[in-house]
Amino acid sequence: EAQLVQSGGGLVQPGGSLRLSCAASGFTVTDNYMGWVRQAPRRGLEWVSVISGGGGTHYADSVKGRFTISRDTSKNTVYLQMNSLRGEDTAVYYCARGHHYGSGRWGNADVWGQGTTVTVSS
Amino acid sequence: DIVMTQSPLSLPVTPGEPASISCRSSQSLLQSNGYNYLDWYLQKPGQSPQLLIYFGSHRAAGVPDRFSGSGSGTDFTLKISTVEAEDVGVYYCMQALQTPGTFGPGTKVDIK
Repeated sequence: EAQLVQSGGGLVQPGGSLRLSCAASGFTVTDNYMGWVRQAPRRGLEWVSVISGGGGTHYADSVKGRFTISRDTSKNTVYLQMNSLRGEDTAVYYCARGHHYGSGRWGNADVWGQGTTVTVSS
Repeated sequence: DIVMTQSPLSLPVTPGEPASISCRSSQSLLQSNGYNYLDWYLQKPGQSPQLLIYFGSHRAAGVPDRFSGSGSGTDFTLKISTVEAEDVGVYYCMQALQTPGTFGPGTKVDIK
């Protein structure tokens, strides 16, 4: 069974950094198009970043230059490195397995992690 | 970015009755290959989102057949033929035609 287990959330001060992890089992991350989606408190879903099977990456404008998506094939894990964090980054972050439609387009996300909470506050 | 809207934003339902949610996009989601790049997700209370429909009308694996998606271009509909109590939650549409993907604001479905 395909599964994603997330870790790494927590409380961080504005301007700080945090790394989220998303460990996959039942499938290989390099054979899939992995993404991060976040949900601010009492808000809807927001697409954050995706990484293709070939390692190509794409970011929402709101996080470009501050967040970096990557993966470790030996650990079958995807990461989201978050730097220069702001209050508006406070959210539950979900990783998900999707399908690649070309040119960074990602959808049909059929496996989701349990979510991890990031709180940016002084 | 493509803007997604949904209606209604709140939908009280009666178990055993049908329900319908509308989703509209600011640009056509129909590509030349004939596919509409539109997903539907359900986020049950306290849970992660789960995929219901992709390409506008393709039911995801394991999704009950009471859920169906229809529409093309800029107008889409998610229908539940017979609502069950376990269907409560927030339903989101998402366009996957352009990067970044964008979600609708969500439709909260609860029991009357």
